[in-house]
Amino acid sequence: EPEVTQTPSHQVTQMGQEVILRCVPISNHLYFYWYRQILGQKVEFLVSFYNNEISEKSEIFDDQFSVERPDGSNFTLKIRSTKLEDSAMYFCASSVGGGAGQYFGPGTRLTVT
Amino acid sequence: RKEVEQDPGPFNVPEGATVAFNCTYSNSASQSFFWYRQDCRKEPKLLMSVYSSGNEDGRFTAQLNRASQYISLLIRDSKLSDSATYLCVVIRSGGSYIPTFGRGTSLIVHP
Repeated sequence: EPEVTQTPSHQVTQMGQEVILRCVPISNHLYFYWYRQILGQKVEFLVSFYNNEISEKSEIFDDQFSVERPDGSNFTLKIRSTKLEDSAMYFCASSVGGGAGQYFGPGTRLTVT
Repeated sequence: RKEVEQDPGPFNVPEGATVAFNCTYSNSASQSFFWYRQDCRKEPKLLMSVYSSGNEDGRFTAQLNRASQYISLLIRDSKLSDSATYLCVVIRSGGSYIPTFGRGTSLIVHP
């Protein structure tokens, strides 16, 4: 069964550093998403991506964040100048259509020290 | 009013019980509705889509009530393995698709 994969599973970084989180969506899916979940809190939508451009973004997704699909398979989230409050689980997801059910990757746990 | 609201629980039920969760949403432009299951420190897993006509998948039944703006999930014959957090997800469309997750309802099934 196809699945979304994410690397790394855990990333530790120092405050102020840049991190890149990587995702490989399911191959025939057209919509890609990034979410974050701070420990004990709800899943929060960051951004959706369709047809090689951002489709929607939340107010959390400010200039500190960017997404890219550098090739036909990878989908990345870059966080510049990380802050302590960026520590969270970051999930990538993909779906066949914008209103369709989404399939999540296992997540990357980001720890900013 | 929060966009998607769920009773956080926990719902503590014995094996074999029937349990129901509700989720309310505030935006009438909401278009697609889903239930996900999330185990501790794991990713959300799609459980089922929710339609006005209702849909059933084994022991699970989901229902959408557009007039009252809520969706429900019924679990029959609960198993220990059903213990998890159940997330309600609403996607609204205003040209693009904007997903909103509820905080989740915790279910604990005990022997």
